[in-house]
Amino acid sequence: GQQLNQSPQSMFIQEGEDVSMNCTSSSIFNTWLWYKQDPGEGPVLLIALYKAGELTSNGRLTAQFGITRKDSFLNISASIPSDVGIYFCAGQLSGAGNMLTFGGGTRLMVKP
Amino acid sequence: ETGVTQSPTHLIKTRGQQVTLRCSSQSGHNTVSWYQQALGQGPQFIFQYYREEENGRGNFPPRFSGLQFPNYSSELNVNALELDDSALYLCASSLAPLPGAQYFGPGTRLLVL
Repeated sequence: GQQLNQSPQSMFIQEGEDVSMNCTSSSIFNTWLWYKQDPGEGPVLLIALYKAGELTSNGRLTAQFGITRKDSFLNISASIPSDVGIYFCAGQLSGAGNMLTFGGGTRLMVKP
Repeated sequence: ETGVTQSPTHLIKTRGQQVTLRCSSQSGHNTVSWYQQALGQGPQFIFQYYREEENGRGNFPPRFSGLQFPNYSSELNVNALELDDSALYLCASSLAPLPGAQYFGPGTRLLVL
């Protein structure tokens, strides 16, 4: 099936640092979504991107829909302890309705 | 506005049994999708329901089946449970079966022994 390659798989950062993670694919996506999942809970939607080149912010989070429609990145500025969790990218393939294909996740761990 | 709810939160079954998981969609949402999330992995699409009919299916065997009711709530049924079915089962709702945001419930943790 389709795959999204998400990197890095995990990262430790110092509180206050900026974080960057990305997803790439060989397929073209209509939509890119970024979710955060805390232990024992469902994914929570952070940002949705609908157009190639689109750059969208949500507080300290910024995400971009790649020009080629095959990639997306998420940046977190000035990280804080509550940013800890697993971040997933998810895409909706062209012609596949709104079925989500997920990346493998980036586990973010913050040193206080 | 009520978000997506799922029941039960946890469930333990033995191999060969059958299980039914339930989901209530977010208010105003008519489309429900189900995902399976194994430990340490991203969710995998099982199937989607719209207008009480299956509207797309991932790479899961027929023993995974579902229903959607007139109030848009949905059930996921799994027959002949296998050990590998142990996972977090997530339900997500959306305004329509079109590209756009999906909102997830808290999930049901299924353990098959």
